[in-house]
Amino acid sequence: DAGITQSPRHKVTETGTPVTLRCHQTENHRYMYWYRQDPGHGLRLIHYSYGVKDTDKGEVSDGYSVSRSKTEDFLLTLESATSSQTSVYFCASKREGLGTDTQYFGPGTRLTVL
Amino acid sequence: GDSVTQMEGPVTLSEEAFLTINCTYTATGYPSLFWYVQYPGEGLQLLLKATKADDKGSNKGFEATYRKETTSFHLEKGSVQVSDSAVYFCALSEGRDDKIIFGKGTRLHILP
Repeated sequence: DAGITQSPRHKVTETGTPVTLRCHQTENHRYMYWYRQDPGHGLRLIHYSYGVKDTDKGEVSDGYSVSRSKTEDFLLTLESATSSQTSVYFCASKREGLGTDTQYFGPGTRLTVL
Repeated sequence: GDSVTQMEGPVTLSEEAFLTINCTYTATGYPSLFWYVQYPGEGLQLLLKATKADDKGSNKGFEATYRKETTSFHLEKGSVQVSDSAVYFCALSEGRDDKIIFGKGTRLHILP
């Protein structure tokens, strides 16, 4: 398995506060992704990165921003958290942008916004 | 746009039963197809994949064949075990930067 870690693993916060989730990978993968998982929706892509400082929006990007200043780190920020952002967040990485390549997932972060 | 549809769960089977989880897809090109598995409290793991028509992916007794004519990638296992209880996601990968599109997942319960 690829070495992907996420921090924190659990977080409870209040509406209106900023929150940053961190994803760290040790495989030197070029591509990194942030998903959210909600009942009845499966996984939905929030943002992804195809290199340092290169990012793009996914399906559900509103209310989220990302940054990638180093190959190994991909940060997801909720500028002002809302209750609708209560979810489980997964980070993933992939070596290259080939359809045959496998995405490797982190263990997830459970975020609760009160 | 591209999409993946898989059978809704939960699916409950007895140990040693035959398993089929249906998955169909819609895509404009020639996607790669995947099955991922999520065990309780964990992230997703790749179970198997197929990259072109008629390819068969297999792993841990699970199999799925890429059927272009029916746009399907059904997951099968001949004899399930309690340890197979998990959520299974069908997915496709296509397009610039090869973003993966996931189905909504099928929860599988295996009874001893």
